[in-house]
Amino acid sequence: ETGVTQSPTHLIKTRGQQVTLRCSSQSGHNTVSWYQQALGQGPQFIFQYYREEENGRGNFPPRFSGLQFPNYSSELNVNALELDDSALYLCASRLGQANSPLHFGNGTRLTVT
Amino acid sequence: DAKTTQPPSMDCAEGRAANLPCNHSTISGNEYVYWYRQIHSQGPQYIIHGLKNNETNEMASLIITEDRKSSTLILPHATLRDTAVYYCIVQASGGGATNKLIFGTGTLLAVQP
Repeated sequence: ETGVTQSPTHLIKTRGQQVTLRCSSQSGHNTVSWYQQALGQGPQFIFQYYREEENGRGNFPPRFSGLQFPNYSSELNVNALELDDSALYLCASRLGQANSPLHFGNGTRLTVT
Repeated sequence: DAKTTQPPSMDCAEGRAANLPCNHSTISGNEYVYWYRQIHSQGPQYIIHGLKNNETNEMASLIITEDRKSSTLILPHATLRDTAVYYCIVQASGGGATNKLIFGTGTLLAVQP
């Protein structure tokens, strides 16, 4: 049990639509990261938030955006969904920014048709 | 790209020690070695991490060579529940996206009864 919960667990959307995925982290975990995991591959870093500000981004277009809230919850928003956005989206949190380990949720499985 | 190299798969008999190797020949002085595992349809689970000294916790031991170019994760008494993909990751100790996790394809450990 990591204390990181994600909702919904599964979601089906149509190409061109928008989606919001939600994550609730452990109290005190002020760093949250989001990862995308395509089938058969390792997770890929999307972006990271620290104290409600984005402080790192991977190679993802601007239609991937996020928010982090003071209550340790966060959101991943994806606009103009494409078929290739079908993947498992993972939220992870840690205490501070440095070398404490990331704790992952079990993800949201997004299918774009 | 991931900075680590791992065998794609390994087998281990239940009750025996599982030794998972990882090469990270380009590791920098401020980079830690992290191990995570991912059981099917779950998020990655943190196992252990270290800088240059060997580490042990309730899940596993991490042996890092003196030159830090390789490491071995040891599960002392593997069980069927240890069947998972194991990821070895090197991570910088700075803030922001410098401490993002870059996952490779990992090692699929199959524990056999």
